[in-house]
Amino acid sequence: QKEVEQDPGPLSVPEGAIVSLNCTYSNSAFQYFMWYRQYSRKGPELLMYTYSSGNKEDGRFTAQVDKSSKYISLFIRDSQPSDSATYLCAMSEGNSGNTPLVFGKGTRLSVIA
Amino acid sequence: DSGVTQTPKHLITATGQRVTLRCSPRSGDLSVYWYQQSLDQGLQFLIQYYNGEERAKGNILERFSAQQFPDLHSELNLSSLELGDSALYFCASSASELEAFFGQGTRLTVV
Repeated sequence: QKEVEQDPGPLSVPEGAIVSLNCTYSNSAFQYFMWYRQYSRKGPELLMYTYSSGNKEDGRFTAQVDKSSKYISLFIRDSQPSDSATYLCAMSEGNSGNTPLVFGKGTRLSVIA
Repeated sequence: DSGVTQTPKHLITATGQRVTLRCSPRSGDLSVYWYQQSLDQGLQFLIQYYNGEERAKGNILERFSAQQFPDLHSELNLSSLELGDSALYFCASSASELEAFFGQGTRLTVV
C-alpha cells in the first residue's frame, strides 16, 4: 500500500460546479497536509496547507483534514475553467525539516465552460 | 514565478550517458529537494540537502547523485542513463517543511 493514495481521475465538471478532491494516507505520523496545483508543463505550486485536523478556507478553496480517518479533501466552489489543472495532495511528518513531502499521484481536473 | 530556477529546461541524451541538472533555490532558502515525476509513478522524492549537507534520502538510484554547493545551488547528476529515466525532474526549495517552492522542471528524454 502506498503511503498516499489519490484518485488520478480525470475529473471533468461544468463551470460553476463544486469540486471535491480527496486523498487517503497510511502514515499516522503525518501532521502537515498540503494541496498543490500543477498546470501543464509547469512546476507544482502550493495552494493551501493545514496542520493536524480541521478545516481551512481560502476564497473558493476549502481544505479538510480528518486524521482519525486518515483522509483529506479539497473543495473548490464555483469552479472556473482556469482551475483546470492537476491537483496533488502532499503530506509531511514535519520533523523539523528532516522529512520531505510525500505526494499523491495527482488528480487531473477539467472545468468545462 | 516561484523564484526557483532550473536549467536546462529540456535535455535529450542517449542511453549510457551522464547528465547534470542544475537548481538555484529561492534567495534565503537553505533546503533543496529533488523530485522525479513520471506518468505512472507521480512525484517521487529523491533527495534533500540542507545548507550543504544531505538531510534525507528517498528513492534515489545509486546511479544518481546530488550535491549542494556553498552558494546553495544544487546539482543532480544522473549517470548510465536508461530509457526508464526519462521523466520530469523538479527541484524545490523551502525555508520550512510547510512550503516547498518548485522550479519549472527539467524534462529529460533518454533515447
